[in-house]
Amino acid sequence: EAQVTQNPRYLITVTGKKLTVTCSQNMNHEYMSWYRQDPGLGLRQIYYSMNVEVTDKGDVPEGYKVSRKEKRNFPLILESPSPNQTSLYFCASSLFKRQGSYNEQFFGPGTRLTVL
Amino acid sequence: TQLLEQSPQFLSIQEGENLTVYCNSSSVFSSLQWYRQEPGEGPVLLVTVVTGGEVKKLKRLTFQFGDARKDSSLHITAAQPGDTGLYLCAGRLTSGTYKYIFGTGTRLKVLA
Repeated sequence: EAQVTQNPRYLITVTGKKLTVTCSQNMNHEYMSWYRQDPGLGLRQIYYSMNVEVTDKGDVPEGYKVSRKEKRNFPLILESPSPNQTSLYFCASSLFKRQGSYNEQFFGPGTRLTVL
Repeated sequence: TQLLEQSPQFLSIQEGENLTVYCNSSSVFSSLQWYRQEPGEGPVLLVTVVTGGEVKKLKRLTFQFGDARKDSSLHITAAQPGDTGLYLCAGRLTSGTYKYIFGTGTRLKVLA
């Protein structure tokens, strides 16, 4: 089954304790992305990657890191989480076209993170 | 800066009514997509519009892309309780970036 998986689905942590949220896709997609969803703000892109070893900042990258060492995986790293990073996080993947840009993004089920 | 403004934010209507959701921007987009998200799940793509003035229909849903590719609308005819959900527009700018911008969302509730 074609899918995007995220782990963990729920996480409660404390300020300053490093954490990683994993994301994996089995569709051989080039483009992968992380979003956070907050009430009234919609989805905001954190980082995206057009292919292995190619990443770039989205609209809200501060406090986050990513890496793309393999095509299927795109982990999100919070080196020193803070309470304002409490949010619902989604990973997504799609094929990638430089022109046209109309590829469907497939989303994971989400990770609800609480930072105390 | 929110580049995609959606209206209304919330909408509660009776089954059988029609409704329109708007997605507006001052920026030009190479394409616009509409997603629907249900509680506890990630967004799922409904449609992509690419050409200015394009109209696409998906059963009772009609999507339109503005002539200048700065805005889009979603019209639902004879809404049903199964249409309940969060509707999101999203697009990529034409300026060479590969970022995606999402709208603020419209939460629709259709009452039986």
